[in-house]
Amino acid sequence: RKEVEQDPGPFNVPEGATVAFNCTYSNSASQSFFWYRQDCRKEPKLLMSVYSSGNEDGRFTAQLNRASQYISLLIRDSKLSDSATYLCVVNTSGTYKYIFGTGTRLKVLA
Amino acid sequence: IAGITQAPTSQILAAGRRMTLRCTQDMRHNAMYWYRQDLGLGLRLIHYSNTAGTTGKGEVPDGYSVSRANTDDFPLTLASAVPSQTSVYFCASSGDTNQPQHFGDGTRLSIL
Repeated sequence: RKEVEQDPGPFNVPEGATVAFNCTYSNSASQSFFWYRQDCRKEPKLLMSVYSSGNEDGRFTAQLNRASQYISLLIRDSKLSDSATYLCVVNTSGTYKYIFGTGTRLKVLA
Repeated sequence: IAGITQAPTSQILAAGRRMTLRCTQDMRHNAMYWYRQDLGLGLRLIHYSNTAGTTGKGEVPDGYSVSRANTDDFPLTLASAVPSQTSVYFCASSGDTNQPQHFGDGTRLSIL
């Protein structure tokens, strides 16, 4: 079993739709969680950190479920510019070990 | 603009040649990392450095070496390039080992 798993997609959604991605992790000692977006042939860019109580940044909401060992990303009112690959990243606190999921592709359609 | 600079942007290299990928950050981050990204495999850690003067091996270190003489620079060297090292290489840094990482633009390397 992979340490971090994501549905590869693609998720094809119309503009204005709400879409959610999940990411599961296997190491219960994981402490830090992040969502990145990556555009084709570009570097990953931090979208948001994920906090235990959940957090929101504009149209984006991140949640952490420690009991079931998954994090989620919700995107409301999808824009064409949201089309990208979304990477889930998990880190065991105090270590160099950031584990990246292989990403979920999102296509927002006009 | 503060951030991470990688060079070169891309390179085509003959097998057997030596190559050094450069990475410089100006954020005074303690930790730096080198990843390779291959289709379907996601990012895999090659080497890392928690602080200047120390380095460690990641998931796929074979064929690569690094050094961290100072806080800002973290070069990655391929001593004798092989075709399986064809990949996109990303350098990253973080303030500490549990903080978000920031990535450079990447180096596209093709070994023929």
